[in-house]
Amino acid sequence: QQQVKQSPQSLIVQKGGISIINCAYENTAFDYFPWYQQFPGKGPALLIAIRPDVSEKKEGRFTISFNKSAKQFSLHIMDSQPGDSATYFCAASREGSARQLTFGSGTQLTVLP
Amino acid sequence: DGGITQSPKYLFRKEGQNVTLSCEQNLNHDAMYWYRQDPGQGLRLIYYSHIVNDFQKGDIAEGYSVSREKKESFPLTVTSAQKNPTAFYLCASRHSGGPGELFFGEGSRLTVL
Repeated sequence: QQQVKQSPQSLIVQKGGISIINCAYENTAFDYFPWYQQFPGKGPALLIAIRPDVSEKKEGRFTISFNKSAKQFSLHIMDSQPGDSATYFCAASREGSARQLTFGSGTQLTVLP
Repeated sequence: DGGITQSPKYLFRKEGQNVTLSCEQNLNHDAMYWYRQDPGQGLRLIYYSHIVNDFQKGDIAEGYSVSREKKESFPLTVTSAQKNPTAFYLCASRHSGGPGELFFGEGSRLTVL
């Protein structure tokens, strides 16, 4: 019930295209869903996050879509750029359990110039 | 500048040796975490601490030990009991209470020879 399933494992997109990464969860107690971006040899950094009381959140070219009934959420990167090439992790947490984040397995995004 | 400092960045160890990875933060965060990252497996929680002199096991604590004698410091020891210690180790911290951004260090890559 703690698992967060992420797909695809890798994604190749042309510059200017839309990158879409999907995550699904089972535990309905999760109430915070962040996305982290990690460049090679670096630690992850928070990209964008959403709470389940909204269905969509947009920050610049990055949008989270959230479907509470389906227990799914996704990251959309509009007008993808080569500088977006990185590994992306979805995650989820809930009240209690010290607010531990449960991470998805990651998606390696490559944006071709 | 505020942040999390991990050292060493690279570490080589012979089988049977214990090694200690350092993690220091000057963000005044109460909560600190250690994650292990392996290719295709996302980030898995080893140990976490929400207060000085207290820490809890995460999902994969076997073969690891930690201490939290100071708010700023949360060192991780990889013991000889850890069967497969070669990995990328990430330290993180955040403010306690409610969901919030997890700040990561740049990681330590441990290789067992």
